[in-house]
Amino acid sequence: AQKVTQAQTEISVVEKEDVTLDCVYETRDTTYYLFWYKQPPSGELVFLIRRNSFDEQNEISGRYSWNFQKSTSSFNFTITASQVVDSAVYFCALSVGAAGNKLTFGGGTRVLVKP
Amino acid sequence: DTEVTQTPKHLVMGMTNKKSLKCEQHMGHRAMYWYKQKAKKPPELMFVYSYEKLSINESVPSRFSPECPNSSLLNLHLHALQPEDSALYLCASSQVPPLGGNQPQHFGDGTRLSIL
Repeated sequence: AQKVTQAQTEISVVEKEDVTLDCVYETRDTTYYLFWYKQPPSGELVFLIRRNSFDEQNEISGRYSWNFQKSTSSFNFTITASQVVDSAVYFCALSVGAAGNKLTFGGGTRVLVKP
Repeated sequence: DTEVTQTPKHLVMGMTNKKSLKCEQHMGHRAMYWYKQKAKKPPELMFVYSYEKLSINESVPSRFSPECPNSSLLNLHLHALQPEDSALYLCASSQVPPLGGNQPQHFGDGTRLSIL
């Protein structure tokens, strides 16, 4: 069975501060995919990134960066110079090759960026 | 703007009513999903359709009845719901794996459902 843990339930920062969201996953499959989604108050889940288990390169997209470490089963997400528009709930999710596209979500981390 | 469109955005219904939630996508995706999300919880998978056929039913009560009339549309028919069914219902679509590995799901804004 798969499991995703986001230990931080809520993080509050002041605008322009950096914020790092932790994600730890568990799976026995060797082929798996990790995702981050953002859910603003409007409700839609917005896809941010997908990583497969064979690609441990870190990635940067604008103010967003991701650190994938198989050795610690972690896929952490950092927002640099946070903005008020970054306020949302962020979900880390996992799917394994054998189960098709079935996503296992973490509990989510609510980020509140204050002006 | 989201590429997955859900209607209605809000729905209030009594426990004896029959209503339907609708979802439409035009991204050429052949996998479509229904999720239920309670407040402060992650989405929970309900149903998955692949190539218009039901491939996963996560032991959802029969008062929820999904339908996929064509590759762009997904419906969720509701009948005799309970107050605990009040939630945000999200639709998503994706390419069918294993095309390039498990592809990201693209979500709609959801329907906020309240059962009186």
